[in-house]
Amino acid sequence: QQQVKQSPQSLIVQKGGISIINCAYENTAFDYFPWYQQFPGKGPALLIAIRPDVSEKKEGRFTISFNKSAKQFSLHIMDSQPGDSATYFCAASKGGGGSNYKLTFGKGTLLTVNP
Amino acid sequence: GAVVSQHPSWVICKSGTSVKIECRSLDFQATTMFWYRQFPKQSLMLMATSNEGSKATYEQGVEKDKFLINHASLTLSTLTVTSAHPEDSSFYICSAKQGTEAFFGQGTRLTVV
Repeated sequence: QQQVKQSPQSLIVQKGGISIINCAYENTAFDYFPWYQQFPGKGPALLIAIRPDVSEKKEGRFTISFNKSAKQFSLHIMDSQPGDSATYFCAASKGGGGSNYKLTFGKGTLLTVNP
Repeated sequence: GAVVSQHPSWVICKSGTSVKIECRSLDFQATTMFWYRQFPKQSLMLMATSNEGSKATYEQGVEKDKFLINHASLTLSTLTVTSAHPEDSSFYICSAKQGTEAFFGQGTRLTVV
């Protein structure tokens, strides 16, 4: 059972455009939703995370939108740059994301930003 | 942010031998560490949760006798792939949490020939 569904599988955006990646979850016990960026041959790195008590969180060019009733959340990358080309994973966790709680990952989105 | 260091970054071993991968939290203590496996162009698959001073918790379908995990200190967890075979070739990644934020190692590319 796939608990976090991520789309699209791949995305091509022109430089300066907006990249949008969507995720949907099934487990209503999830209460921590991070997004990770992974470059080839490297481990993932946290980009931004949100909790269900807010509907939007913005950090620089990255914004998470969260819809609790629809059980969906999305990542928006504004003014996309070629350096943003990477694989992006959404994830979800219970327990507020505390240290003992594991992350459930989406399948990933390969983003390519053309110059 | 906190740093998680994984060693080695890559390793090639002969079929039938064992390989040990180390995961260290460099500037914080981690009572819990997580080990993932990632196939090319796929997501991270959680293999096990490593708990300091106690036995690891393995995910369903992961052979605990093949993937031995030891978490002997608050800054070190090791994953040993025993009697490795070509199908064990993969990218292995560890992570540790500081508060709610998970920090990942750089990964270890294991190739079994």
